[in-house]
Amino acid sequence: DAKTTQPPSMDCAEGRAANLPCNHSTISGNEYVYWYRQIHSQGPQYIIHGLKNNETNEMASLIITEDRKSSTLILPHATLRDTAVYYCIVTLLQGNLIFGKGTKLSVKP
Amino acid sequence: GAGVSQTPSNKVTEKGKYVELRCDPISGHTALYWYRQSLGQGPEFLIYFQGTGAADDSGLPNDRFFAVRPEGSVSTLKIQRTERGDSAVYLCASSLYGGAQETQYFGPGTRLLVL
Repeated sequence: DAKTTQPPSMDCAEGRAANLPCNHSTISGNEYVYWYRQIHSQGPQYIIHGLKNNETNEMASLIITEDRKSSTLILPHATLRDTAVYYCIVTLLQGNLIFGKGTKLSVKP
Repeated sequence: GAGVSQTPSNKVTEKGKYVELRCDPISGHTALYWYRQSLGQGPEFLIYFQGTGAADDSGLPNDRFFAVRPEGSVSTLKIQRTERGDSAVYLCASSLYGGAQETQYFGPGTRLLVL
């Protein structure tokens, strides 16, 4: 079973920030939090990952709580092309990913 | 550069037949993963290769499923005596060395339909 809990769906207005929450209350100290997204009919695409500290790249920001039991993915200015299923994943040491059902983000004009 | 490629993109077969699905990872990537995605679900891990050897095959559902990577690059997922329940998208991913700190790059998947 997935070690994460995400809302099944969210809406966001185009141009606004999309904040996607994830709970991972059983995360271990050496496990990373990864975010991938999957646009319809494509393979999953890496977005960002982190261990303890907040992270930012050209796609998104990742905010991890101090106790590491939850995190939030932030897309600062959502576009229609960001409509996808977003997966929050806690990785095992060897790296195989355990996906849940993810959050279906719909960005609306 | 070239990403992960998978062939065929679509495969339709009849119940009981044998199928092979191919994955070409990114050149130089030693780690290769197979996942299966059923409709409306997230991808489900099947098997992980480190080089030529299967480091973890705990996700293979039964002995009808088998995968090889004889030269440490291209991998083939083989399904014997296919069943309708095997219908899914089969995804392949690769990473440079494997491990929890590395990004996996996914291919577009092979859509398998068993009639």
